[in-house]
Amino acid sequence: DAGVIQSPRHEVTEMGQEVTLRCKPISGHDYLFWYRQTMMRGLELLIYFNNNVPIDDSGMPEDRFSAKMPNASFSTLKIQPSEPRDSAVYFCASSRQGAYGYTFGSGTRLTVV
Amino acid sequence: KNEVEQSPQNLTAQEGEFITINCSYSVGISALHWLQQHPGGGIVSLFMLSSGKKKHGRLIATINIQEKHSSLHITASHPRDSAVYICAVESNSGYALNFGKGTSLLVTP
Repeated sequence: DAGVIQSPRHEVTEMGQEVTLRCKPISGHDYLFWYRQTMMRGLELLIYFNNNVPIDDSGMPEDRFSAKMPNASFSTLKIQPSEPRDSAVYFCASSRQGAYGYTFGSGTRLTVV
Repeated sequence: KNEVEQSPQNLTAQEGEFITINCSYSVGISALHWLQQHPGGGIVSLFMLSSGKKKHGRLIATINIQEKHSSLHITASHPRDSAVYICAVESNSGYALNFGKGTSLLVTP
């Protein structure tokens, strides 16, 4: 298995632009998580899905952020419009209930200028 | 106040030393995770614990549920162990992880 695949690895965009981050979880995993990592706040949950259904989106900062999981093999995190304070590394992770641990993607480093 | 506290925040050790990183948490949990992140790199899951002790190579993780405390030990440390080690918990009320701020470890030759 190729693991959790995130794209792009790096994204530089101008303030006000729309940004879409993508994630392909491990096949057979029924949970998918979006986390954000900043120097100030560390790792924080944004949203997670179980069987493609959003379970907890309390970490989504505001209406500018949205996430979808149209099927078991794909999820997107969209920021519209982007702001400089959104600059961070965004990690996607997946897991299977009852199984060992989480698998994290390599992350997307987002810079909003 | 964060529900997960790690100590120390930074740690420098000489190659070969025994290293301990501590994690305390304040909520009821179903599992505790230790994660490793190399500079500029991704996050790797080292251990998932709900009780007792686990060992993988030179790494040992322990948890005391009653005291709400876990430790990660590295025996015979090596420069390649230099990384940030993150403690994270799954609370009883949800499946997502709640993270500590991490311990930055530097092992010098």
